[in-house]
Amino acid sequence: RKEVEQDPGPFNVPEGATVAFNCTYSNSASQSFFWYRQDCRKEPKLLMSVYSSGNEDGRFTAQLNRASQYISLLIRDSKLSDSATYLCVVRTGANNLFFGTGTRLTVIP
Amino acid sequence: EPEVTQTPSHQVTQMGQEVILRCVPISNHLYFYWYRQILGQKVEFLVSFYNNEISEKSEIFDDQFSVERPDGSNFTLKIRSTKLEDSAMYFCAGDPGVYGYTFGSGTRLTVV
Repeated sequence: RKEVEQDPGPFNVPEGATVAFNCTYSNSASQSFFWYRQDCRKEPKLLMSVYSSGNEDGRFTAQLNRASQYISLLIRDSKLSDSATYLCVVRTGANNLFFGTGTRLTVIP
Repeated sequence: EPEVTQTPSHQVTQMGQEVILRCVPISNHLYFYWYRQILGQKVEFLVSFYNNEISEKSEIFDDQFSVERPDGSNFTLKIRSTKLEDSAMYFCAGDPGVYGYTFGSGTRLTVV
């Protein structure tokens, strides 16, 4: 069973659209949750941490449902520069991270 | 903004050769990690390093792999005898002990 599962996409959306990504994790003891962004052949970069109460950073909103072991990311008013792969990441136990395979987003002019 | 620096950016090596990948983490980081990403696949944990010793390693990190922090700044990953399947991006990461790892820009290893 995969630790972290994501819909791989791709998601192709027009500029200005709202898009949502979902992720599930298998280990109920997981402690910390993140969304990372990865551009083609680049390193993952932290987009935002995800808190139980939900959190927002500009156009980005993250939600966590511990009971369902489900994490989401909502991007409003998509920009061309949002085109990337979005990685759902979970920290469980020791300090290593488990990555999903990523969801690819392309924002179309 | 402080960066995690990795060298080289790209390394081509023949199967069976030894390679050393280098990383200079941010100085206030407590934990150091190596991850790898085979092209088209997910990022996978290799090893974590704390207080100058390995704290955890994955199944991928077998006897062919080793890590060192020889001089208190550089953090190295050595692959003793490379295989074709070792071809991947290798990312070093640092963690200040709170959350939110900072990844280096990676080394692309190509084994031929």
